[in-house]
Amino acid sequence: DTGVSQDPRHKITKRGQNVTFRCDPISEHNRLYWYRQTLGQGPEFLTYFQNEAQLEKSRLLSDRFSAERPKGSFSTLEIQRTEQGDSAMYLCASSPTESGNTIYFGEGSWLTVV
Amino acid sequence: DAKTTQPTSMDCAEGRAANLPCNHSTISGNEYVYWYRQIHSQGPQYIIHGLKNNETNEMASLIITEDRKSSTLILPHATLRDTAVYYCIVRVANAGGTSYGKLTFGQGTILTVHP
Repeated sequence: DTGVSQDPRHKITKRGQNVTFRCDPISEHNRLYWYRQTLGQGPEFLTYFQNEAQLEKSRLLSDRFSAERPKGSFSTLEIQRTEQGDSAMYLCASSPTESGNTIYFGEGSWLTVV
Repeated sequence: DAKTTQPTSMDCAEGRAANLPCNHSTISGNEYVYWYRQIHSQGPQYIIHGLKNNETNEMASLIITEDRKSSTLILPHATLRDTAVYYCIVRVANAGGTSYGKLTFGQGTILTVHP
């Protein structure tokens, strides 16, 4: 079991550029979640997928944010026209749908917008 | 999801038990209590969860009061590596009794273990 993998771990980008983060969930986990965490705050829910279907989106997920999980395996989170307020850690998590439905998190992707 | 209340910070001496309280007075009958921790700059780590009964695993014990309105996470022999933010979260279960859905994090408790 290799755990939830996120890439890149760190990204520095200029304001206005687009960035994309990738998440590889634990093998055979059907559910995949994206969270955002800013300094001093707990993680905030952004969206989640059941297989390839995006089932819920937070109001935090503005029009500049888009998440996909095209084949029900890995997922990408894209931020268009980045703003300084987007600087945060973006966390991916996954869980099975069987009993014992614990959510496991990756190490996160740090974004700094300059 | 029910809200939880945790102390902002706690201290513990290395080798002693760390007892982290959590209030969840509005918890519903179908909501589980979950505990995660987050060590600086890392992703949250699952610790333990329970519904009504006390639970124990290799990391910790979870004590849930009979009325389920509060719980305590116990780290039996705290080490310096247990210094982290600890989050208590309630999470709904589906009709089959399996917890599902997103986790809603609060501010958590900053636990500092000192030598």
